[in-house]
Amino acid sequence: DVKVTQSSRYLVKRTGEKVFLECVQDMDHENMFWYRQDPGLGLRLIYFSYDVKMKEKGDIPEGYSVSREKKERFSLILESASTNQTSMYLCASSLFSGSSYGYTFGSGTRLTVV
Amino acid sequence: QQQVKQSPQSLIVQKGGISIINCAYENTAFDYFPWYQQFPGKGPALLIAIRPDVSEKKEGRFTISFNKSAKQFSLHIMDSQPGDSATYFCAAGGTGRRALTFGSGTRLQVQP
Repeated sequence: DVKVTQSSRYLVKRTGEKVFLECVQDMDHENMFWYRQDPGLGLRLIYFSYDVKMKEKGDIPEGYSVSREKKERFSLILESASTNQTSMYLCASSLFSGSSYGYTFGSGTRLTVV
Repeated sequence: QQQVKQSPQSLIVQKGGISIINCAYENTAFDYFPWYQQFPGKGPALLIAIRPDVSEKKEGRFTISFNKSAKQFSLHIMDSQPGDSATYFCAAGGTGRRALTFGSGTRLQVQP
């Protein structure tokens, strides 16, 4: 089975800090995604990547950036954390490009910004 | 913009009952409709998916019903069990779209 590992289960950061969320997948998937999950809003797409060094903005990219230097690793960066970025962050990967196939998700990182 | 609308937000069902969660979409370009199941502390996991060439797909106690003309699809959980208690997300994707669009989620509680 594909495994998607998010490095931190819980994080507490201060307002203004630069925050790095790391995600690693072990099955050579081309496509990786970052979503945030908020009650009543479901999963909202922040950024995704379909190849090394390639990235595309999702629906809510403001305040975030990403890095994909290696195929297996996709990092989400909060340039200057704010309290409205307190959320559950989910990383996912997919073997096939496009959105016609299933994703494998990590267990999530719950970020609290104080 | 919310391209996939999911209801209800929460659902309580007695053990052995039928759980029904509904989703509606707007974009006719969608041609892949998965459902994900999420337990507390875990990421969502693919449960079942359907493509619009069929109107129904069944896997065990889980069934997706799809109505292309109404642009709606639903998840039916037959003989619901306490172990089915989780949050369920519908999603939509398809050719030309780079990532899945998810609904807002339904928290299902199955009472013993």
